[in-house]
Amino acid sequence: AQKVTQAQTEISVVEKEDVTLDCVYETRDTTYYLFWYKQPPSGELVFLIRRNSFDEQNEISGRYSWNFQKSTSSFNFTITASQVVDSAVYFCALSEREAGNNRKLIWGLGTSLAVNP
Amino acid sequence: DAGVTQSPTHLIKTRGQQVTLRCSPISGHKSVSWYQQVLGQGPQFIFQYYEKEERGRGNFPDRFSARQFPNYSSELNVNALLLGDSALYLCASGGEGTGMIDTQYFGPGTRLTVL
Repeated sequence: AQKVTQAQTEISVVEKEDVTLDCVYETRDTTYYLFWYKQPPSGELVFLIRRNSFDEQNEISGRYSWNFQKSTSSFNFTITASQVVDSAVYFCALSEREAGNNRKLIWGLGTSLAVNP
Repeated sequence: DAGVTQSPTHLIKTRGQQVTLRCSPISGHKSVSWYQQVLGQGPQFIFQYYEKEERGRGNFPDRFSARQFPNYSSELNVNALLLGDSALYLCASGGEGTGMIDTQYFGPGTRLTVL
């Protein structure tokens, strides 16, 4: 079973609309980290946010906001007043512990967001 | 400060050849991870190195190898290239002294095409 599920494969919105990207995760770790990355057409993965499992406080950064809910194992990402430059593939990722106290990132399949003028 | 750098940006090889990809992490970062991203999919973990030691390995064949140098830069080698190795290879740095994969910062990637 997938450990990070991004159920929305593609989303298309018109500029200035709000859009929410969903992420549901599964882990047995009590301490874990969740991430969102943006991958524009250029290909480089851009770090957006990291949230640890003990901090359920929602976060806002400009037009971006994140809603972390442990009760539903979700870490959703909302873009307010979307812009064309927001068009990209967005990945949710989970960092969980493996043998030897190492951690590895497990990635969702990504949501392709198209913001149309 | 410079971000993660990778070279080359693009590479075209033929089946059976060998390729070496290079990565320099952000200054102060001691961990380098390599990922393969096939078009339309998420990154797949290949290796992680920390302080020149391998800390993790993904489900890739032995044709894939890597190493980390004293200056924390890293090389990924792929032998006996197959058509299926065509992908974007991403390098990420992180682990500011802890050895743990916390936040990873990615380079621009190397686009490998195998003909």
